[in-house]
Amino acid sequence: GIQVEQSPPDLILQEGANSTLRCNFSDSVNNLQWFHQNPWGQLINLFYIPSGTKQNGRLSATTVATERYSLLYISSSQTTDSGVYFCAVGYNFNKFYFGSGTKLNVKP
Amino acid sequence: EAQVTQNPRYLITVTGKKLTVTCSQNMNHEYMSWYRQDPGLGLRQIYYSMNVEVTDKGDVPEGYKVSRKEKRNFPLILESPSPNQTSLYFCASKKTGGSEEQYFGPGTRLTVT
Repeated sequence: GIQVEQSPPDLILQEGANSTLRCNFSDSVNNLQWFHQNPWGQLINLFYIPSGTKQNGRLSATTVATERYSLLYISSSQTTDSGVYFCAVGYNFNKFYFGSGTKLNVKP
Repeated sequence: EAQVTQNPRYLITVTGKKLTVTCSQNMNHEYMSWYRQDPGLGLRQIYYSMNVEVTDKGDVPEGYKVSRKEKRNFPLILESPSPNQTSLYFCASKKTGGSEEQYFGPGTRLTVT
């Protein structure tokens, strides 16, 4: 299967700080999503971004498929951004592989 | 409201007692999939279905069965649960073609004693 590595594994920020989360994957993919898992365990879709750049409010993401990585940017972080961020990649549109996540703690 | 629902949300059972976790989606999606999440790990795919009567194994299918008799439903069956199947389970669905983002259910926390 495809190896998905996320970094950093843990991140502590002061409210208002910016951060960049990285997702590296080992093979060509045709599907890539970023998720936020909140403290209640719910998986929230952030971006569907197999290539290119997207922005949604304080969050933006960039995927460079040819170099096999994706970045998630969080600006002006808030305590509600705390949780675990997952990158998931898809192969052949049916098999999916998740990274181990980046655990983010935003302190007030 | 477009959603994926799972039942039950929490379940405590004993080794060997057959159980079924239901999953239903109201978005007319062709593709559905089951994942498990264990502490410190990302989600791992158990089974997926490309459409009615079409299912295939993911990375960790041992000990699980699925069926897809209707487009909206994709139940996960544990015929003889064991403690190593204690986990958080997620069902997901997506359409095929176009924007293929997966939508996840709320999760089912299963404990097998």
